[in-house]
Amino acid sequence: QVELVQSGGEVMKPGASVKVSCKASGYTFVSYGISWVRQAPGQGLEWMGWISPYNDNTKYAQKFQGRVTMTTDTSTNTAYMELRSLGSDDTAVYYCARDRVQWLVDAFDIWGQGTMVTVSS
Amino acid sequence: EIVLTQSPGTLSLSPGERATLSCRASQGVSSRALAWYQQKPGQPPRLLIYGASTRATAIPDRFSGSGSGTDFTLTISRLEPEDFALYYCQQYGISARTFGQGTKVEIK
Repeated sequence: QVELVQSGGEVMKPGASVKVSCKASGYTFVSYGISWVRQAPGQGLEWMGWISPYNDNTKYAQKFQGRVTMTTDTSTNTAYMELRSLGSDDTAVYYCARDRVQWLVDAFDIWGQGTMVTVSS
Repeated sequence: EIVLTQSPGTLSLSPGERATLSCRASQGVSSRALAWYQQKPGQPPRLLIYGASTRATAIPDRFSGSGSGTDFTLTISRLEPEDFALYYCQQYGISARTFGQGTKVEIK
């Protein structure tokens, strides 16, 4: 079945970087865009950015420009999100999510299970 | 960036009642590129509606979406116990996608 499986939770120090992975299975990885969405404890959903696994085109939310990098590895069908210069307000569950339609920006029909990133000294 | 404002923040209703959730955009959402998601504690969101009014796969027909331009509505015709959850709208009409802040549907 179509699935996105994310890496496990992380505890990071302020100022560090974190890299979260999202492994896709059950579909043609390069054909569907992947977004990253985060959710701080008790808060709403925040879109961070998008990547096309076909050509590595990216679009980042302005808030994260310069601090986030999204990449893919088509040999392993895995997407990555690296966030640098972590602060306590980056403590959140990070989700990857797939665009519903091939080759188009669309709603998210498949979500990863989420990765909890805790930033604490 | 398109800002989405959802109302009300919390909706207190009983099973069997009708729920009406609103999502207002700060500018027009092109091509009705508006989605609704349901989220329960400890779970990722689930896609309910895309294209403002099309139900996603396996979504019951008690869920319906409507609207265009800047005003969108999610209606749950008769609330089932499993429908008490958080609901988010999202626009994907421009490449910088955004979510509303959410509406909680709670048991009265």
